[in-house]
Amino acid sequence: KAGVTQTPRYLIKTRGQQVTLSCSPISGHRSVSWYQQTPGQGLQFLFEYFSETQRNKGNFPGRFSGRQFSNSRSEMNVSTLELGDSALYLCASSSIGGIGANNSPLHFGNGTRLTVT
Amino acid sequence: SQQGEEDPQALSIQEGENATMNCSYKTSINNLQWYRQNSGRGLVHLILIRSNEREKHSGRLRVTLDTSKKSSSLLITASRAADTASYFCATDGWVGGGADGLTFGKGTHLIIQP
Repeated sequence: KAGVTQTPRYLIKTRGQQVTLSCSPISGHRSVSWYQQTPGQGLQFLFEYFSETQRNKGNFPGRFSGRQFSNSRSEMNVSTLELGDSALYLCASSSIGGIGANNSPLHFGNGTRLTVT
Repeated sequence: SQQGEEDPQALSIQEGENATMNCSYKTSINNLQWYRQNSGRGLVHLILIRSNEREKHSGRLRVTLDTSKKSSSLLITASRAADTASYFCATDGWVGGGADGLTFGKGTHLIIQP
């Protein structure tokens, strides 16, 4: 089985711009979670989608949004980029969604490295 | 907020030695997981231990869980250079009062010297 695929691998954007990141989960996995990783804050949960519905959301401003398509692929969007949004954005898939997703292993992609200048 | 806190932050040992990392957390959990991350890459799941389990093994990995102390340890035996990575514990505790996804600690950076 192919693993979780995230595109693009690297991205450089300017403050104020918006960005869209893409994630293709493992075939058959219907849950997709997004995490932000920074040296200062570590790994922080953004949101989780299951069957095209947002099930859980972390403590991030409304500039961070996402969606999931019928084929379980997911995108996350960040609008009005700030310097502090520079991070490694990780996507993870699981065969179980919602609360159950926290009780099963997550399969991570290699992330998108976003740099905001 | 960070739920899990790993200790030590960094660990350097010789190849062949055992490496022990500890994790403490704050709230009640259903399970605790350990992940490995090689530099600049995604996380790889290592092991999941449920709250009613005290010890679990997987190959050279041994994980213990003490829910009364809210702590866990990861032991890697007979370390290899390929074990050089950052190791994170993650808990499913409802830190924010809801299902906030997994909550990760800041990680232990393990370096295996050849």
